[in-house]
Amino acid sequence: DQQVKQNSPSLSVQEGRISILNCDYTNSMFDYFLWYKKYPAEGPTFLISISSIKDKNEDGRFTVFLNKSAKHLSLHIVPSQPGDSAVYFCAASASGGSNYKLTFGKGTLLTVNP
Amino acid sequence: GAGVSQSPRYKVAKRGQDVALRCDPISGHVSLFWYQQALGQGPEFLTYFQNEAQLDKSGLPSDRFFAERPEGSVSTLKIQRTQQEDSAVYLCASSQGQGRSPTQYFGPGTRLTVL
Repeated sequence: DQQVKQNSPSLSVQEGRISILNCDYTNSMFDYFLWYKKYPAEGPTFLISISSIKDKNEDGRFTVFLNKSAKHLSLHIVPSQPGDSAVYFCAASASGGSNYKLTFGKGTLLTVNP
Repeated sequence: GAGVSQSPRYKVAKRGQDVALRCDPISGHVSLFWYQQALGQGPEFLTYFQNEAQLDKSGLPSDRFFAERPEGSVSTLKIQRTQQEDSAVYLCASSQGQGRSPTQYFGPGTRLTVL
């Protein structure tokens, strides 16, 4: 039973436009969420995170929105650049105790076309 | 500063061989995690260390998998009697630890292929 779902395996956008990647979760104990970017043959690279006490976090071209009632988060990239082409993973953790193990979605392949 | 490093980057093993995968976390990071990523999937949690203590090994798929972090820094994931289903990328991540930023930083992974 997948607790973190990324329902779009792939997304294609034009350079300069907005990319919106979506993620849904089912476990109400999750209270910390992260987005990672992954290039082939490399490990996931941390992009941005959000705590459940917030509904928005922004860092440069990247903004993450959290809708706790819908158990949904999204990553907005504006403007999109060809170098953003990668697989994006949504991850979640429940911070109770000292174990911050992450539960990942299956990823969304973003392609930004020049 | 240096990030998380893993070695070897690639490992090919014959079925039944034992393998050892090494992880060097970011200096000073208390928490260390191992994940397994199968093709087309997201990483899945294997085990977690806080310093040298292995606090959670609930994700280890069988008793053939063993991890240690004897001095609270470098960690080794050992797989005994490898099987074809063990073929995957094994990722190591570290974080500052409890009470501080929970963000995990990943190494490049070790791609294990069992023939």
